[in-house]
Amino acid sequence: QKEVEQNSGPLSVPEGAIASLNCTYSDRGSQSFFWYRQYSGKSPELIMFIYSNGDKEDGRFTAQLNKASQYVSLLIRDSQPSDSATYLCAVKMDSNYQLIWGAGTKLIIKP
Amino acid sequence: GAGVSQSPSNKVTEKGKDVELRCDPISGHTALYWYRQSLGQGLEFLIYFQGNSAPDKSGLPSDRFSAERTGGSVSTLTIQRTQQEDSAVYLCASSSGTRGNEQFFGPGTRLTVL
Repeated sequence: QKEVEQNSGPLSVPEGAIASLNCTYSDRGSQSFFWYRQYSGKSPELIMFIYSNGDKEDGRFTAQLNKASQYVSLLIRDSQPSDSATYLCAVKMDSNYQLIWGAGTKLIIKP
Repeated sequence: GAGVSQSPSNKVTEKGKDVELRCDPISGHTALYWYRQSLGQGLEFLIYFQGNSAPDKSGLPSDRFSAERTGGSVSTLTIQRTQQEDSAVYLCASSSGTRGNEQFFGPGTRLTVL
């Protein structure tokens, strides 16, 4: 059974601080990794994807992938109240079009 | 370009009625996915299309649920004899099928079965 695990939260972070979201996955064959943001009452929105070990930065967001330890993280620098949302981790094997989804971490940025 | 669109945005129906939900994917996207999300819950995979074929229907909850895709584009999810437990947001996503297979979601259809 392929699984993706996330802490459900809520994770509360003060405004301006770094928010760190983590995701672990069970299938070593996983090749592509995605972070989606979902605001309450809205659909998921892709914010980052990463394929290779290491860090990938996009603005205030950094995705970190460690395939040996089977985890992927999302760091949000200078957190803003508008970052408050549920963050979904999704994982894909190259041999399959499916994404395996985590249940999401609820992030709350406190002003 | 236009994103994924879904219609209707909201649907209220009575128990036992049939409903049809529509998804228009991003133009050129070969893969299309249906998910269901109940309030406060994660995404529940329903079905995946590659072109007009559905290689994976494993997530359909019962034989009351069916889906089709025509012309490699529009897809319709049909729920027959709706039950109250079918109430949820139904989300459609599409992807280009390239390496990353990033999925892009539509706004969803909120289904309420009374």
